[in-house]
Amino acid sequence: GDSVTQMEGPVTLSEEAFLTINCTYTATGYPSLFWYVQYPGEGLQLLLKATKADDKGSNKGFEATYRKETTSFHLEKGSVQVSDSAVYFCALVDTGRRALTFGSGTRLQVQP
Amino acid sequence: GAGVSQSPSNKVTEKGKDVELRCDPISGHTALYWYRQSLGQGLEFLIYFQGNSAPDKSGLPSDRFSAERTGGSVSTLTIQRTQQEDSAVYLCASSLRPTGTMEMNTEAFFGQGTRLTVV
Repeated sequence: GDSVTQMEGPVTLSEEAFLTINCTYTATGYPSLFWYVQYPGEGLQLLLKATKADDKGSNKGFEATYRKETTSFHLEKGSVQVSDSAVYFCALVDTGRRALTFGSGTRLQVQP
Repeated sequence: GAGVSQSPSNKVTEKGKDVELRCDPISGHTALYWYRQSLGQGLEFLIYFQGNSAPDKSGLPSDRFSAERTGGSVSTLTIQRTQQEDSAVYLCASSLRPTGTMEMNTEAFFGQGTRLTVV
């Protein structure tokens, strides 16, 4: 079945540091890939998505590229801020499915 | 409302009791999803409703779990004879169109969840 694997957290960075959160997936079809973010006390929000190979999703300075050859969708940001502290979830929807399959989440803590 | 609303936000119940969790999706959204987030784990799909079609119940972990969606809007997730392993955050999401299609307007909007604690 479908699955998503994320690097375990917490990831602790200083402000303005470079961020990478690794995500790899297993799917039988041609999935769409997503990153969701959960800020403290808030619900999950879509951060970015990519629907086919080599697509790059971007939002709020975050980027992720759909790499079919490595089945990966790593999240990156060049310079993190304290306000980026949150839990980040990688997810996919496989062809013909309707529900999202999520990874276990990675907590990011950015220190001033 | 402006977003997906879930109630209650917190629920503590005794083992063996039944509980009902409510979800008010965004008005006009035809697709509604329930997920469960257990401590230290990712979100686990439970059930999916789309319009008047039969729901996809493939994620329900046991027959103690059931859900309904009345009038294509509000949904209730019911857990009978609760067990301690049912303790989790139960999340509801809705989308204008089903996620996973290539159409526009497929983003799933999530509520803040109901934290269920079975003691």
